[in-house]
Amino acid sequence: GQQVMQIPQYQHVQEGEDFTTYCNSSTTLSNIQWYKQRPGGHPVFLIQLVKSGEVKKQKRLTFQFGEAKKNSSLHITATQTTDVGTYFCAGFSGNKLTFGGGTRVLVKP
Amino acid sequence: EPEVTQTPSHQVTQMGQEVILRCVPISNHLYFYWYRQILGQKVEFLVSFYNNEISEKSEIFDDQFSVERPDGSNFTLKIRSTKLEDSAMYFCASTWDRGSQPQHFGDGTRLSIL
Repeated sequence: GQQVMQIPQYQHVQEGEDFTTYCNSSTTLSNIQWYKQRPGGHPVFLIQLVKSGEVKKQKRLTFQFGEAKKNSSLHITATQTTDVGTYFCAGFSGNKLTFGGGTRVLVKP
Repeated sequence: EPEVTQTPSHQVTQMGQEVILRCVPISNHLYFYWYRQILGQKVEFLVSFYNNEISEKSEIFDDQFSVERPDGSNFTLKIRSTKLEDSAMYFCASTWDRGSQPQHFGDGTRLSIL
């Protein structure tokens, strides 16, 4: 079955620094979605990418969808303490979302 | 903003007992989902539901699991005979379009099997 993998599993970032988390799917995706889950919370939708090579920005967050629609990345610039949480990519195919393992982000002030 | 609501927030059940988790999706949404998240792990798809029938289900969703939309507003997940490994957070989600719209998640039900 479809598998979605994310690296790194953990990201310890100094406040103000940049980092990137990567997502890879074993199959071509219709679209890819990114969610953020705060500790003790539920996944909250951030963005969806549909087109091959698509790049979208949300303030300090930049999302990219690969040309083959099998990989994606999330780049955060100037990390803030509010960025703490787990970022999941999720690939949509068929009738389901398959989540990656997530990147747990910890920010050092 | 409309929300997906789930009840109860925490359910403690003896192993072998039946449990029903309840969800009220956003009112104009047509597609409904259940996910499971074991503590510290990823969100796992269980089942999708549309037009009063299951669209897709995962390997986790075996004969012990069932879903129902009994009255047009509630969407329930039943586990017939719970096992210790069913302990997890269960999230309900809904969307009005199959794949092109984000899924809205409820706050989840924490299921603890003793």
